[in-house]
Amino acid sequence: EVQLVESGGDLIQPGGSLRLSCAASGFTVSSSYMSWVRQAPGKGLEWVSAINSGGNTYYADSVQGRFTISRDNSKNTLSLQMNSLRAEDTAVYYCARFRGSSGISPFDSWGQGTLVTVSS
Amino acid sequence: DIQMTQSPSTLSASVGDRVTITCRASQSVGSWLAWYQQKPGKAPKLLIYKASSLESGVPSRFSGSGSGTEFTLTISSLQPDDFATYYCQQSNNFWTFGQGTKVEIK
Repeated sequence: EVQLVESGGDLIQPGGSLRLSCAASGFTVSSSYMSWVRQAPGKGLEWVSAINSGGNTYYADSVQGRFTISRDNSKNTLSLQMNSLRAEDTAVYYCARFRGSSGISPFDSWGQGTLVTVSS
Repeated sequence: DIQMTQSPSTLSASVGDRVTITCRASQSVGSWLAWYQQKPGKAPKLLIYKASSLESGVPSRFSGSGSGTEFTLTISSLQPDDFATYYCQQSNNFWTFGQGTKVEIK
């Protein structure tokens, strides 16, 4: 059974840094196309970042240069390093897996989400 | 960037109603369109992919249609478990979600 479990969410001051992790089971992260999607309180879904099986990374304009997606193959985990955090980064962050190995596929598995609150 | 616009933003309906949600893309996304259902405090759940393919385990009362820039999600007979927020998402050029449609009890 595919399972994704996020961790690392916290209350952080503006300008601070935070690292989110997503532990995967039931499949291999390094062979998969993975993504982070966020949802601000009471708002819709926003794609944040993605990484394909080849290690190519992609970022939304809103986080480009501040966030870094990566994976640890030995731990079968996905991570999101978030720097220079802003109030508008406050959201629940979901780890999601693309079906198959293509970015045109839908997100077929999601974690439960981890809350990041950026506030002084 | 491709923008996705859903209508309506909120929909009030009764159990048994036929419900249709529309999603329009700012440029063609081919058939690379998915629909998700989200309930409060929960992660989104995939319903429809490739515009009209029903995800395994999803009830057949859900259906999707369209291509290019205009898509619809139809619930043929609304059930109590279907009251939720629905999102469309394109994957033709990076990834963009619509703003969501909340289906409320009338």
